[in-house]
Amino acid sequence: GDSVTQMEGPVTLSEEAFLTINCTYTATGYPSLFWYVQYPGEGLQLLLKATKADDKGSNKGFEATYRKETTSFHLEKGSVQVSDSAVYFCALSDRGSTLGRLYFGRGTQLTVWP
Amino acid sequence: DVKVTQSSRYLVKRTGEKVFLECVQDMDHENMFWYRQDPGLGLRLIYFSYDVKMKEKGDIPEGYSVSREKKERFSLILESASTNQTSMYLCASSPVRNLNEQYFGPGTRLTVT
Repeated sequence: GDSVTQMEGPVTLSEEAFLTINCTYTATGYPSLFWYVQYPGEGLQLLLKATKADDKGSNKGFEATYRKETTSFHLEKGSVQVSDSAVYFCALSDRGSTLGRLYFGRGTQLTVWP
Repeated sequence: DVKVTQSSRYLVKRTGEKVFLECVQDMDHENMFWYRQDPGLGLRLIYFSYDVKMKEKGDIPEGYSVSREKKERFSLILESASTNQTSMYLCASSPVRNLNEQYFGPGTRLTVT
């Protein structure tokens, strides 16, 4: 079945450091891929998405490229800020389904120190 | 802006009580979802609904039921709360037309004592 595996945390970085959070997926069809972010005390919100192979999603300085050959969608940011401290979730959905189900990874806690 | 609201941010209930968690969305979305979030386990899907009065079991439906009498409202019911249902509960909705992007409420932190 469809599933997502993402790098376990927690990840602790200094401000302005480079961030990578790894995400790989297993899917039977042609999924869309997402990164969601959860700030402390809040629900999840969409950070970025990609719908087909080689697409790059980007938002707020974060980027992720849909790599079909390696079944990956790694999240990167060149220079993190304290305000990026949050939990990050990788997710996929089956584009052939109208039920809208998402499959989430377990989440990666990121803490950025000044 | 899409808005998904949940009836309570924090809730404390006793073992054996019947608990209702309410979720309302204001964007006429067809699909609605209930998840629970636990440390180290991420989000796990409890139930979802793709239309009024329609429901589908997710990965962990045991001990839960749901109700969707109106398109905008999706209720999660714990028939007899137990301590292992202490968790953060997240509701989400999505439109069929938008590549399954989901919009989340702020969550309800439920403690069962």
